[in-house]
Amino acid sequence: AQSVAQPEDQVNVAEGNPLTVKCTYSVSGNPYLFWYVQYPNRGLQFLLKYITGDNLVKGSYGFEAEFNKSQTSFHLKKPSALVSDSALYFCAVRDRGARDDKIIFGKGTRLHILP
Amino acid sequence: GAGVSQSPSNKVTEKGKDVELRCDPISGHTALYWYRQSLGQGLEFLIYFQGNSAPDKSGLPSDRFSAERTGGSVSTLTIQRTQQEDSAVYLCASSLGWDRGGSPLHFGNGTRLTVT
Repeated sequence: AQSVAQPEDQVNVAEGNPLTVKCTYSVSGNPYLFWYVQYPNRGLQFLLKYITGDNLVKGSYGFEAEFNKSQTSFHLKKPSALVSDSALYFCAVRDRGARDDKIIFGKGTRLHILP
Repeated sequence: GAGVSQSPSNKVTEKGKDVELRCDPISGHTALYWYRQSLGQGLEFLIYFQGNSAPDKSGLPSDRFSAERTGGSVSTLTIQRTQQEDSAVYLCASSLGWDRGGSPLHFGNGTRLTVT
């Protein structure tokens, strides 16, 4: 069965510094990978996805993520953090080798950007 | 166009009562998912539908939980004999389905369920 780990409950970054939110996954086949963001009192929003092709994926709000198959990781990154990036971030995976369409989410990482 | 709509947005119920949560997906989306979000627990997968069929019900926490989808559209999640541990935000999401190259999920704003 597929699973996702987000090892950090919270990440603090100073505004203007680069940020990284970590995600590792486990699947039996190849993965579809996703990042979602949840702003306070708002619904979950899609940020970006990896399906196939280039390992570096670019998404909304200047975020990007790098797929690393050997390390089974899909870390979310941004070169320069903004205070408005403060939110709860979720990594998700679907196993392309599975016979179902189940999508599993991590526990989430709360990102605090300090002014 | 309209997004995923969930109702009610908030529900307070007494322990032992039954509750029904509703989800209206985006028109044309064939896949529909239910998740539960509890504090510190992330998003817990409950069930998903492809059309009206639910291939995987393994995420439902107990036999008090059931879900159905009719006409390939609206879905209801029913919790019978509610318990305090059922208190959480229940999220619904829809997508075009996996024949569309891994289309992302579009989430509703959720139903906050409080069992007293």
